[in-house]
Amino acid sequence: AQSVTQLDSQVPVFEEAPVELRCNYSSSVSVYLFWYVQYPNQGLQLLLKYLSGSTLVESINGFEAEFNKSQTSFHLRKPSVHISDTAEYFCAVSHDTGKLIFGQGTTLQVKP
Amino acid sequence: DTGVSQDPRHKITKRGQNVTFRCDPISEHNRLYWYRQTLGQGPEFLTYFQNEAQLEKSRLLSDRFSAERPKGSFSTLEIQRTEQGDSAMYLCASSQIGGHEQFFGPGTRLTVL
Repeated sequence: AQSVTQLDSQVPVFEEAPVELRCNYSSSVSVYLFWYVQYPNQGLQLLLKYLSGSTLVESINGFEAEFNKSQTSFHLRKPSVHISDTAEYFCAVSHDTGKLIFGQGTTLQVKP
Repeated sequence: DTGVSQDPRHKITKRGQNVTFRCDPISEHNRLYWYRQTLGQGPEFLTYFQNEAQLEKSRLLSDRFSAERPKGSFSTLEIQRTEQGDSAMYLCASSQIGGHEQFFGPGTRLTVL
């Protein structure tokens, strides 16, 4: 069985500071890894994904995540956050069926 | 194509009533997924279809829940004899076979009084 643990339920950070949202997963098979973002009153959007190849993946808005197989982690980072990054972030894993197993979510609150 | 759509966006019902939600996926997507999200939690998988075939159902999907995708296009999720514990956001997503990105709809928020 697969599971995902997001280690922080809330992460408050000041604007322009760096941030890391932590995600650990458990699986007995190879998985695909995702970060989804949910802005206030909006639906889930894919932020970035790891399927294979380079373990470092990047999004168009400056986020990056690194797949670490030995530590079974897929932490999300951004070197400098903006107020508009305030949202709920979900880490997820899937296998060949495509169904997503989500973590509990991390609320990123960016303060001015 | 405007993405995945869900109808209604909000539903308030009394305990014991039946409700039905509709999901229209992106037109060329073969796979359709239903998830449920309660406050402060991540979405939980309920069931998924590949074309018209329902290939997997979660144990969360009790006998009161039924989902269909009769022509491999839109899907419906029905909850019979609703309970207060059914109050949640019901999310639909679609993808192509072999495509690992799921596109989510805006969700249907169900409130059971």
